[in-house]
Amino acid sequence: EPEVTQTPSHQVTQMGQEVILRCVPISNHLYFYWYRQILGQKVEFLVSFYNNEISEKSEIFDDQFSVERPDGSNFTLKIRSTKLEDSAMYFCASRPGPDRNTEAFFGQGTRLTVV
Amino acid sequence: LAKTTQPISMDSYEGQEVNITCSHNNIATNDYITWYQQFPSQGPRFIIQGYKTKVTNEVASLFIPADRKSSTLSLPRVSLSDTAVYYCLVGDEGTGGSYIPTFGRGTSLIVHP
Repeated sequence: EPEVTQTPSHQVTQMGQEVILRCVPISNHLYFYWYRQILGQKVEFLVSFYNNEISEKSEIFDDQFSVERPDGSNFTLKIRSTKLEDSAMYFCASRPGPDRNTEAFFGQGTRLTVV
Repeated sequence: LAKTTQPISMDSYEGQEVNITCSHNNIATNDYITWYQQFPSQGPRFIIQGYKTKVTNEVASLFIPADRKSSTLSLPRVSLSDTAVYYCLVGDEGTGGSYIPTFGRGTSLIVHP
């Protein structure tokens, strides 16, 4: 069964440093997403990406964040100047198309710890 | 305004049937109802989806009344491994008009031996 893969599984970084979280969506999917989940809280939408540009973003996704699809397979989330409150699980997801009845496939997540 | 409302937590025992109900009073005509399961430190996993009436797959059933203002996820004969958080989604539409799978608080199901 095809799956979304994320690397690394764990990342520890010092406050103020930049991190890049990587995702390989399912190959024939067209819509890509990043979510985050702070420990004990709900899964929060950050950004969606389609046709090589951001299609939607939440209030959380400010200038500190950026996304990129540098090649035909990878989808990355960059967090500049990390803060303690950026510590969370970050999930990448992909969907094959725009229809509301197409499910989202999630990766296993990257646990980011900012110290 | 929350799009979905679910019980925060539920307890059950192995072998029992579990029914988790979700309210979505403002569901749009083109919204589907999708349920996801999440284990600790893992990504959400699709369980089942429906638009109306009843849908059944190998792991669950989904019951949707005619007015579609609620839905019930039914897990037959749960086991300890079904302990997880269950999310009901009807989605959201961003300012750009795109569909966004949007999660609420979910229901934490604990299955006891």
